[in-house]
Amino acid sequence: KQEVTQIPAALSVPEGENLVLNCSFTDSAIYNLQWFRQDPGKGLTSLLLIQSSQREQTSGRLNASLDKSSGRSTLYIAASQPGDSATYLCAVPPIRGAQKLVFGQGTRLTINP
Amino acid sequence: GAGVSQTPSNKVTEKGKYVELRCDPISGHTALYWYRQSLGQGPEFLIYFQGTGAADDSGLPNDRFFAVRPEGSVSTLKIQRTERGDSAVYLCASSLVLAGGPGELFFGEGSRLTVL
Repeated sequence: KQEVTQIPAALSVPEGENLVLNCSFTDSAIYNLQWFRQDPGKGLTSLLLIQSSQREQTSGRLNASLDKSSGRSTLYIAASQPGDSATYLCAVPPIRGAQKLVFGQGTRLTINP
Repeated sequence: GAGVSQTPSNKVTEKGKYVELRCDPISGHTALYWYRQSLGQGPEFLIYFQGTGAADDSGLPNDRFFAVRPEGSVSTLKIQRTERGDSAVYLCASSLVLAGGPGELFFGEGSRLTVL
């Protein structure tokens, strides 16, 4: 059974710092991995999608890497800003070919001005 | 519309009542998903539609939960005889269908259900 773990559960850093959020999954036979952002009381916003054949994807100050063999992904945020404060979730399909996603519990990020 | 639309945004009901939650996906997205999210947790899968048919309903917790998508666009999640444990945020998402797995998911703002 695919399990997704995100550590730490919460992280607080000063504005301007670079930071890394971690995601691990137990079944490495994944099709892709997605990172989402969720603001309080809101739905999820897609940030990055990495296909299993890729090692990383970049969007602005965000960079996501994928190491399938070790069952890990990281989300790197450069030059953090208070507006980056949110919960960040990663998700993978439970088995090869499945259309649904299994989510981690998320990392609640706070950027202090 | 430009994004996924969910109504109502908030619903308060009494135990035992019937509830319907509506989702209007992004135009052209064949895949539609329902997830449920409890406080402090990640979303949990309920059901997936490809077109009009429920391709995977393995996440529905019991037979009080049912969902339809009769014309392959708007979907309705129906909950009968609501229980206090059904209280959660119900999220709808849509995506394009990829051959090997899920495409990029676009979520609505969710419907917050509170059962008193």
